Amino acid sequence: DSGVTQTPKHLITATGQRVTLRCSPRSGDLSVYWYQQSLDQGLQFLIQYYNGEERAKGNILERFSAQQFPDLHSELNLSSLELGDSALYFCASSVGDSDTQYFGPGTRLTVL
Amino acid sequence: QQQVKQSPQSLIVQKGGISIINCAYENTAFDYFPWYQQFPGKGPALLIAIRPDVSEKKEGRFTISFNKSAKQFSLHIMDSQPGDSATYFCAASDQTGANNLFFGTGTRLTVIP
Repeated sequence: DSGVTQTPKHLITATGQRVTLRCSPRSGDLSVYWYQQSLDQGLQFLIQYYNGEERAKGNILERFSAQQFPDLHSELNLSSLELGDSALYFCASSVGDSDTQYFGPGTRLTVL
Repeated sequence: QQQVKQSPQSLIVQKGGISIINCAYENTAFDYFPWYQQFPGKGPALLIAIRPDVSEKKEGRFTISFNKSAKQFSLHIMDSQPGDSATYFCAASDQTGANNLFFGTGTRLTVIP
């Protein structure tokens, strides 16, 4: 167990809908990262927050957004969902913004 | 463009054998190279990591070999066990920069009893 928690574990929704994925980092970690894992794209970095501020952006679609709250938990919002958004979404956390990342168990999103 | 290339895609090894997975990178700014192990339905778990100031790092049965001039690094699993059967990902990041991880495409390892 990495100490990173993610909810929900599974999410099934329809095209065009909006969902929110939640992540709680390990105790003491200030950085949160979001990754998407799909069969065709592999594991891809989406976005990083450090102590509430956006730190880095990867291949994140404009339909996706994230934030990190004062208690350091983070939410990833996915809107106007498409079939191709079906994937595993992982959150990782690290102590600072240049340390080892520990991954949560993921949220499996299925868009029908 | 794949920043980290990983091979082979799949690997079958007899119990007790050595499993070897190779990765190559292009970005010379990368300064941190972790390996993650992932079981079905689970998140990637950090296995071992290396920085470019050393050529080898060993932790138990797992060894990373690093060749800075060739921009290659590899994972060796000695005395492979059926419990090692999982997907292994190499990754790289620039920890002086954004620190986001660039992952290889993964290697599915199967250890036959």
